[in-house]
This record gives sequence, C-alpha cells and structure tokens, in this order.
Amino acid sequence: SQQGEEDPQALSIQEGENATMNCSYKTSINNLQWYRQNSGRGLVHLILIRSNEREKHSGRLRVTLDTSKKSSSLLITASRAADTASYFCATDGGYNKLIFGAGTRLAVHP
Amino acid sequence: DGGITQSPKYLFRKEGQNVTLSCEQNLNHDAMYWYRQDPGQGLRLIYYSQIVNDFQKGDIAEGYSVSREKKESFPLTVTSAQKNPTAFYLCASSPTGINEKLFFGSGTQLSVL
Repeated sequence: SQQGEEDPQALSIQEGENATMNCSYKTSINNLQWYRQNSGRGLVHLILIRSNEREKHSGRLRVTLDTSKKSSSLLITASRAADTASYFCATDGGYNKLIFGAGTRLAVHP
Repeated sequence: DGGITQSPKYLFRKEGQNVTLSCEQNLNHDAMYWYRQDPGQGLRLIYYSQIVNDFQKGDIAEGYSVSREKKESFPLTVTSAQKNPTAFYLCASSPTGINEKLFFGSGTQLSVL
C-alpha cells in the first residue's frame, strides 16, 4: 500500500536555483518525514514534521504541511550539485511503520 | 562508530537457494525494519520488529523470513519461494519505532545468477 506520492518524478535545475518537491498522501497521519538517498546508498533522514505543525526549517530546507489537503512540500534553496539525489516522503498513516512514496529524482547541474 | 551495518554489499543467489542478509546495529534501538527497493521505486516494507523475539509482516513478506534473537541483530533470509528477489535491500532502525525517524544501513544489492 502506497501512502505518499511525490511530484514531480524527476526535476532538473541549475546550481543556485530553488528546488520544490511535493508529496500527497491518503489517510490521516501523526507525522510526515523527508529522506534523501544518494545513488546506491541508504536513506538519510532530513526532517520530520508533526501533524500539528505547518512549517519547519533546517538549514537550506523548508518543509510545509497542509493536513487539510493531505500534502507536503520540500523546498531546497540555493541548490548545489551535491544536492543531486532522490528525495522521498514517508508517512506513518497511524501505523507503527513508515510508508514511502516513489521519490523525486533531483539533478542539480553546475 | 555508531550505526547500522549491512553485509554483504553485493550478493548473488542461485536458483532454489536461500540467502541471508545481515543487519547489525549498535544504536541500542528497539525497532528494526527491512525494506525492499526496486529500480526507480520507493521502499516497500518486508518485515519489522519492535522488540526482541517479536516481529510482524510488512506489505511484501511472502518469500522472506526474519529472526530477532538479539536486540542488535535482525537478519533477513530470502527463500527460494521468492521468485523475483533481485532488488536493493535496506535495513533500518529507530529507538522505539513509534513515529520516529529511521536510521538506515547502506544496503545490500541482491541479484540472481
């Protein structure tokens, strides 16, 4: 069962531009998380936002959550080539486990 | 060095063979998870365990088995019943498993000979 779905599937930008990725989900949640995966590696946790929060920042990352629309967005400001990776949202959906979307593949060109 | 260690990094399976993927953590986490990732796809949950000697099936448990005899270890066996085992397997852990972030290992790529 897939809970979160990211949009777009792929994104290509130049260094210095901002990158925005969106995530939609189907059922009510306790929290939503964003992860990053470099090719052939494990996932790294970026940020967790709880259902009673609307926005959260971490360095160049900004995450918003709209529970009425069941959606979240991840903004990476001033992108760098090193930001090239796949980004996944994950939701708990009320269960004691995370369900991941298919991810957005971000390519940042120098 | 704290973290999650998966081994081997690459594994090849012959027809009819069972293979076991290792996952060890020294983070003192209670909960551990196994996910499968196919190319260009998200992660699908195979099994998870919230405490020693207890585990639950995830969304795609058929053809897989696990054990949790020690807190730090959660090996995954891919049995011959799993007809399409080629995938990237990721192990993860979290302190208690309830609404927390996951810490991931670096993965094992399993291929069929």
